[in-house]
Parts: sequence; C-alpha cells; structure tokens
Amino acid sequence: DTAVSQTPKYLVTQMGNDKSIKCEQNLGHDTMYWYKQDSKKFLKIMFSYNNKELIINETVPNRFSPKSPDKAHLNLHINSLELGDSAVYFCASSRRTSGTTDTQYFGPGTRLTVL
Amino acid sequence: RKEVEQDPGPFNVPEGATVAFNCTYSNSASQSFFWYRQDCRKEPKLLMSVYSSGNEDGRFTAQLNRASQYISLLIRDSKLSDSATYLCVVGQAGTALIFGKGTTLSVSS
Repeated sequence: DTAVSQTPKYLVTQMGNDKSIKCEQNLGHDTMYWYKQDSKKFLKIMFSYNNKELIINETVPNRFSPKSPDKAHLNLHINSLELGDSAVYFCASSRRTSGTTDTQYFGPGTRLTVL
Repeated sequence: RKEVEQDPGPFNVPEGATVAFNCTYSNSASQSFFWYRQDCRKEPKLLMSVYSSGNEDGRFTAQLNRASQYISLLIRDSKLSDSATYLCVVGQAGTALIFGKGTTLSVSS
C-alpha cells in the first residue's frame, strides 16, 4: 500500500514546455506539500495546502501553480519550463500543519530534467 | 546565516564505529525538531523526533539543547545499512519545516 504516490517518476522535457506532476496520499492527512530538491541536494518547501487551502507559498516563480482538487490530491503544474527547473520534486503529507510534531511522509519523488 | 546548519561531511567510518552529527538552528522560536534519513535517489524518511529531554531509539540517540540551539544525533555500532544522508529538520507551528543540507555517512566493512 503506497502512502504517498507521485506520477510520473521521471519526466524529461524541452525548455518552454508545460508539464504537470500529480500527487496522491491515502493516509487521510489534512496537509500536503511540494518540495524541490536541487542538484546540491538542498530540500526546500515550495507550497503547502491544508484541506485544499493554500497555507504556505514560498518565493516560487508564478510559472509554478499548485492545485488541490481534494485533500488527498495535490498537483503541480509548471509553465514555460526552464533549465533551472531541473530537480527532484517531492510531494509530502502530514496529519496536521507543518511545524507540529507530526511526521511528514514523502512520496518517491519526480525527477524532472529540462533539456 | 543559514536557518539550519549541519556538519558538512562526508563521514566515512568502519562498521562498529560510533559517529555523531551536529546541527544548529537560527530561529529561537522553533518548536519541533527531527532527524530524517535520505538514501541515495530516494525520499526522506523520518528517523526520529528530538525531544528536550533527549531520546534514544536502539542505536540512535538524539539530543536537543534549546539554549545553544543545537541538535545532535549519535549512532552507535554503525552498520553498513546506516550509510545514507542524515537531514536535520526544524519546525515552527504553522510554518514550513526547514531542512538542513544533510550530512552524508558512509559505513564500510
């Protein structure tokens, strides 16, 4: 039973394209997140949703748009992809909002390569 | 100053060794503290939460010093399977968790 799943696992695309990454959690959690891990392995929060509502929106280009159709799903759409967008994108979820003692469970990651 | 700083690593140790990782955080209002483990090309997974009184889980001991804003992780009797990157993570209620860059451990036979 996969707790947090992401699709696709690998995504190779050309600069300028638009792409989406999907995330689903079956843990019944209220809060979901998107993180970006760059080539230097630094894991940084991008967005957080609590019960379909955006609660954290870090300084991310507006080419990145998250969408949460329900609390079990958080998708990430990226417009006009750039070389610097190449990274591993992790989805995560937790029972309650980040910063509490609740564990965050991560998806397997989506490795995005922009050519 | 970075919000969460860790030993740069990598740490290369033989099996059976004891190894300690250190971490400092800049925000004195931080309320929650964790160590996560990330294997190569995998997702981070919670290793253990860190409590003010210190806590132990088998071979792993975590300590927190709020006055010095310092967190540590001690691994005793290292195993080959302990080879991974260890991420120090700090949180405040209602805000995002802040991850350190991680310290890489390599245990050899």
